[in-house]
Amino acid sequence: DQQVKQNSPSLSVQEGRISILNCDYTNSMFDYFLWYKKYPAEGPTFLISISSIKDKNEDGRFTVFLNKSAKHLSLHIVPSQPGDSAVYFCAASAEKSSGDKLTFGTGTRLAVRP
Amino acid sequence: NAGVMQNPRHLVRRRGQEARLRCSPMKGHSHVYWYRQLPEEGLKFMVYLQKENIIDESGMPKERFSAEFPKEGPSILRIQQVVRGDSAAYFCASKTSLMNTEAFFGQGTRLTVV
Repeated sequence: DQQVKQNSPSLSVQEGRISILNCDYTNSMFDYFLWYKKYPAEGPTFLISISSIKDKNEDGRFTVFLNKSAKHLSLHIVPSQPGDSAVYFCAASAEKSSGDKLTFGTGTRLAVRP
Repeated sequence: NAGVMQNPRHLVRRRGQEARLRCSPMKGHSHVYWYRQLPEEGLKFMVYLQKENIIDESGMPKERFSAEFPKEGPSILRIQQVVRGDSAAYFCASKTSLMNTEAFFGQGTRLTVV
């Protein structure tokens, strides 16, 4: 039962263009969403998060959009840089029921071409 | 201001041996989580601990796996009588007690069972 889904296993983007990574969830109890970036042989690094009371959060080149009615969120990276090449994980938690434990998607591997 | 520290980074065990993975959370963090990542998969929640308490172990296999977070010292994930299927990357994360805040991950321990 995959409660958080990232349906695109990989994405290739030209340097300078926008990267859009998508994530869908099924559990309506989720109220906090995060994006993590992961390089090989390293731990996930926190990128950006959004609470369910918002529909957008921006931090520099990274913007996360949340569409609660569609149970969908996306991460926009603009402009994309070669150093952004990594695996990106979407994660979600439910404050009231699970002590902030995270449910992760399976990841999207982003390749930014110079 | 050290981050989450995990050791060892790499651990090789023969089938039937015991594996002990250690995690020291970030200073000031009282919540510790363990996650496992199998090859080509996302991270799966295993257990959530606070000092001297297991809060949620719903992701732990019923047998051979145990975790603790003692009053003093690091959190320990213990796997007894390891099997080949236990080979994975094990990540520890820590966070403060504030809800809806990000968790910080260690670099992981890569367990290989031969």
